[in-house]
Amino acid sequence: DTEVTQTPKHLVMGMTNKKSLKCEQHMGHRAMYWYKQKAKKPPELMFVYSYEKLSINESVPSRFSPECPNSSLLNLHLHALQPEDSALYLCASSAKGGGGETQYFGPGTRLLVL
Amino acid sequence: KNEVEQSPQNLTAQEGEFITINCSYSVGISALHWLQQHPGGGIVSLFMLSSGKKKHGRLIATINIQEKHSSLHITASHPRDSAVYICAPSSTGNQFYFGTGTSLTVIP
Repeated sequence: DTEVTQTPKHLVMGMTNKKSLKCEQHMGHRAMYWYKQKAKKPPELMFVYSYEKLSINESVPSRFSPECPNSSLLNLHLHALQPEDSALYLCASSAKGGGGETQYFGPGTRLLVL
Repeated sequence: KNEVEQSPQNLTAQEGEFITINCSYSVGISALHWLQQHPGGGIVSLFMLSSGKKKHGRLIATINIQEKHSSLHITASHPRDSAVYICAPSSTGNQFYFGTGTSLTVIP
Protein backbone atom coordinates (compact mmCIF):
# COMPACT_ATOMS: atom_id res chain seq x y z
CA ASP A 1 0.00 0.00 0.00
CA THR A 2 1.71 3.19 -1.22
CA GLU A 3 -1.17 5.48 -0.49
CA VAL A 4 -1.39 8.61 1.58
CA THR A 5 -4.97 9.59 2.33
CA GLN A 6 -6.22 13.03 3.31
CA THR A 7 -9.59 14.10 4.65
CA PRO A 8 -11.61 16.07 3.95
CA LYS A 9 -11.11 16.64 0.20
CA HIS A 10 -12.71 20.08 0.41
CA LEU A 11 -13.29 22.39 3.36
CA VAL A 12 -15.01 25.75 3.60
CA MET A 13 -14.65 27.59 6.88
CA GLY A 14 -15.25 30.99 8.36
CA MET A 15 -12.53 33.01 10.02
CA THR A 16 -13.82 32.15 13.50
CA ASN A 17 -14.13 28.41 12.95
CA LYS A 18 -11.91 25.66 14.26
CA LYS A 19 -11.33 22.71 11.94
CA SER A 20 -8.78 19.94 11.43
CA LEU A 21 -7.18 18.31 8.42
CA LYS A 22 -6.22 14.68 8.65
CA CYS A 23 -3.50 12.69 6.87
CA GLU A 24 -2.88 8.96 7.16
CA GLN A 25 -0.36 6.50 5.77
CA HIS A 26 0.22 2.81 6.41
CA MET A 27 3.58 2.39 4.71
CA GLY A 28 5.52 2.38 7.97
CA HIS A 29 7.01 5.77 7.13
CA ARG A 30 8.47 7.74 10.01
CA ALA A 31 8.61 11.18 8.36
CA MET A 32 5.51 13.18 7.49
CA TYR A 33 5.17 16.61 5.92
CA TRP A 34 2.59 19.38 5.55
CA TYR A 35 2.74 21.65 2.51
CA LYS A 36 0.65 24.62 1.44
CA GLN A 37 0.16 25.27 -2.28
CA LYS A 38 -1.41 28.36 -3.81
CA ALA A 39 -2.73 28.28 -7.37
CA LYS A 40 -0.05 28.05 -10.06
CA LYS A 41 2.71 28.05 -7.44
CA PRO A 42 4.94 25.23 -6.17
CA PRO A 43 4.22 23.68 -2.76
CA GLU A 44 5.66 25.46 0.29
CA LEU A 45 6.87 23.37 3.21
CA MET A 46 5.06 24.10 6.48
CA PHE A 47 6.03 21.36 8.95
CA VAL A 48 8.04 18.16 9.11
CA TYR A 49 7.57 15.41 11.68
CA SER A 50 10.28 12.82 12.10
CA TYR A 51 9.62 9.87 14.40
CA GLU A 52 6.53 11.69 15.74
CA LYS A 53 8.56 14.74 16.76
CA LEU A 54 8.29 18.12 15.09
CA SER A 55 11.62 18.63 13.35
CA ILE A 56 10.92 21.57 11.04
CA ASN A 57 8.51 24.49 11.43
CA GLU A 58 8.95 26.90 8.57
CA SER A 59 7.86 30.00 10.53
CA VAL A 60 4.22 29.11 10.10
CA PRO A 61 1.67 31.32 11.95
CA SER A 62 0.32 29.85 15.17
CA ARG A 63 -3.19 29.65 13.73
CA PHE A 64 -1.87 26.44 12.12
CA SER A 65 -1.12 23.79 14.72
CA PRO A 66 0.27 20.40 13.68
CA GLU A 67 -0.10 17.21 15.64
CA CYS A 68 1.35 13.74 15.12
CA PRO A 69 -0.52 11.35 17.48
CA ASN A 70 1.25 8.27 16.10
CA SER A 71 3.53 7.27 13.26
CA SER A 72 0.63 6.76 10.81
CA LEU A 73 -1.38 9.88 11.47
CA LEU A 74 -0.76 13.59 11.00
CA ASN A 75 -3.25 16.33 11.79
CA LEU A 76 -3.29 20.03 11.05
CA HIS A 77 -5.52 22.03 13.38
CA LEU A 78 -6.84 25.29 11.99
CA HIS A 79 -8.13 28.21 14.04
CA ALA A 80 -8.89 31.85 13.22
CA LEU A 81 -7.67 31.55 9.66
CA GLN A 82 -7.55 34.41 7.18
CA PRO A 83 -8.85 34.42 3.60
CA GLU A 84 -5.26 34.39 2.33
CA ASP A 85 -4.88 30.95 3.94
CA SER A 86 -7.15 29.53 1.25
CA ALA A 87 -5.03 27.00 -0.63
CA LEU A 88 -4.45 23.32 -1.32
CA TYR A 89 -2.93 21.62 1.72
CA LEU A 90 -0.83 18.60 0.86
CA CYS A 91 0.48 15.91 3.14
CA ALA A 92 3.40 13.66 2.26
CA SER A 93 5.40 10.90 3.89
CA SER A 94 8.80 9.31 3.42
CA ALA A 95 10.65 6.42 5.00
CA LYS A 96 12.78 8.17 7.63
CA GLY A 97 13.23 11.80 6.59
CA GLY A 98 16.80 11.34 5.45
CA GLY A 99 18.34 12.39 2.18
CA GLY A 100 17.45 10.70 -1.06
CA GLU A 101 14.00 9.47 -0.10
CA THR A 102 10.91 9.54 -2.27
CA GLN A 103 8.06 11.52 -0.77
CA TYR A 104 4.58 10.07 -1.27
CA PHE A 105 1.93 12.75 -1.54
CA GLY A 106 -1.71 12.65 -0.62
CA PRO A 107 -4.40 14.12 -2.90
CA GLY A 108 -4.68 17.26 -0.82
CA THR A 109 -7.40 19.17 0.99
CA ARG A 110 -8.68 22.23 -0.84
CA LEU A 111 -9.42 24.87 1.81
CA LEU A 112 -11.51 28.00 1.31
CA VAL A 113 -11.60 30.55 4.12
CA LEU A 114 -14.47 33.01 3.93
CA LYS B 1 17.72 34.40 -7.70
CA ASN B 2 15.66 31.20 -7.43
CA GLU B 3 17.50 28.16 -6.19
CA VAL B 4 15.76 26.01 -8.82
CA GLU B 5 15.05 27.21 -12.35
CA GLN B 6 12.88 25.27 -14.77
CA SER B 7 12.33 25.85 -18.46
CA PRO B 8 10.11 26.23 -20.27
CA GLN B 9 7.36 27.48 -17.94
CA ASN B 10 4.65 26.48 -20.41
CA LEU B 11 4.82 23.99 -23.23
CA THR B 12 2.26 22.93 -25.82
CA ALA B 13 3.02 19.90 -27.99
CA GLN B 14 1.30 17.80 -30.60
CA GLU B 15 0.59 14.21 -29.70
CA GLY B 16 3.60 12.07 -30.56
CA GLU B 17 6.21 14.79 -30.14
CA PHE B 18 9.39 14.37 -28.09
CA ILE B 19 9.40 16.72 -25.11
CA THR B 20 12.25 18.01 -22.96
CA ILE B 21 11.94 19.94 -19.70
CA ASN B 22 15.08 21.38 -18.15
CA CYS B 23 16.01 22.09 -14.54
CA SER B 24 19.02 23.97 -13.16
CA TYR B 25 19.71 24.32 -9.46
CA SER B 26 22.20 26.14 -7.29
CA VAL B 27 21.85 24.30 -3.97
CA GLY B 28 23.84 21.31 -2.77
CA ILE B 29 21.69 18.22 -3.00
CA SER B 30 21.54 14.57 -2.05
CA ALA B 31 19.04 13.72 -4.80
CA LEU B 32 16.79 15.32 -7.39
CA HIS B 33 13.13 14.44 -7.87
CA TRP B 34 10.82 14.87 -10.82
CA LEU B 35 7.17 15.18 -9.82
CA GLN B 36 3.95 15.26 -11.82
CA GLN B 37 0.87 17.19 -10.71
CA HIS B 38 -2.43 16.82 -12.53
CA PRO B 39 -5.22 19.40 -12.30
CA GLY B 40 -7.04 18.66 -9.06
CA GLY B 41 -3.87 18.51 -7.05
CA GLY B 42 -2.37 15.11 -6.43
CA ILE B 43 1.41 14.92 -6.84
CA VAL B 44 3.10 11.76 -8.08
CA SER B 45 6.80 11.10 -7.83
CA LEU B 46 8.16 10.11 -11.25
CA PHE B 47 11.88 9.79 -10.58
CA MET B 48 14.48 10.20 -7.90
CA LEU B 49 18.02 10.64 -9.26
CA SER B 50 21.39 11.08 -7.70
CA SER B 51 23.44 10.38 -10.83
CA GLY B 52 23.18 9.33 -14.45
CA LYS B 53 19.93 8.42 -16.10
CA LYS B 54 16.70 6.59 -15.33
CA LYS B 55 13.95 5.37 -17.65
CA HIS B 56 10.38 4.41 -16.89
CA GLY B 57 8.18 3.66 -19.86
CA ARG B 58 8.15 6.72 -22.11
CA LEU B 59 9.81 8.90 -19.49
CA ILE B 60 13.56 9.44 -19.18
CA ALA B 61 15.32 11.56 -16.57
CA THR B 62 18.97 12.56 -16.58
CA ILE B 63 21.14 14.47 -14.18
CA ASN B 64 24.59 16.05 -14.42
CA ILE B 65 25.76 16.68 -10.87
CA GLN B 66 28.83 18.70 -11.91
CA GLU B 67 26.75 21.07 -14.03
CA LYS B 68 23.81 21.06 -11.54
CA HIS B 69 21.38 20.31 -14.33
CA SER B 70 18.67 17.74 -14.92
CA SER B 71 16.32 17.03 -17.80
CA LEU B 72 13.04 15.16 -18.11
CA HIS B 73 12.20 13.73 -21.51
CA ILE B 74 8.87 12.36 -22.68
CA THR B 75 8.92 10.27 -25.85
CA ALA B 76 5.81 9.84 -28.01
CA SER B 77 3.83 12.33 -25.92
CA HIS B 78 0.14 11.68 -25.30
CA PRO B 79 -2.71 13.93 -24.13
CA ARG B 80 -2.73 12.07 -20.80
CA ASP B 81 0.79 13.44 -20.20
CA SER B 82 -0.77 16.91 -19.83
CA ALA B 83 0.15 18.03 -16.33
CA VAL B 84 2.54 20.25 -14.41
CA TYR B 85 6.02 18.77 -14.06
CA ILE B 86 8.05 19.91 -11.07
CA CYS B 87 11.77 19.55 -10.49
CA ALA B 88 12.65 19.24 -6.80
CA PRO B 89 16.23 18.84 -5.61
CA SER B 90 16.37 17.58 -2.04
CA SER B 91 18.79 18.17 0.81
CA THR B 92 20.39 15.60 3.10
CA GLY B 93 17.47 16.26 5.45
CA ASN B 94 15.07 15.39 2.60
CA GLN B 95 13.84 18.99 2.39
CA PHE B 96 12.57 19.59 -1.14
CA TYR B 97 13.45 22.77 -3.07
CA PHE B 98 10.62 23.02 -5.59
CA GLY B 99 11.00 24.51 -9.04
CA THR B 100 8.19 26.68 -10.36
CA GLY B 101 6.96 23.87 -12.58
CA THR B 102 6.43 23.38 -16.30
CA SER B 103 2.84 23.25 -17.47
CA LEU B 104 2.59 20.78 -20.37
CA THR B 105 -0.39 20.50 -22.69
CA VAL B 106 -0.39 17.75 -25.31
CA ILE B 107 -2.89 18.29 -28.10
CA PRO B 108 -4.40 15.26 -29.90
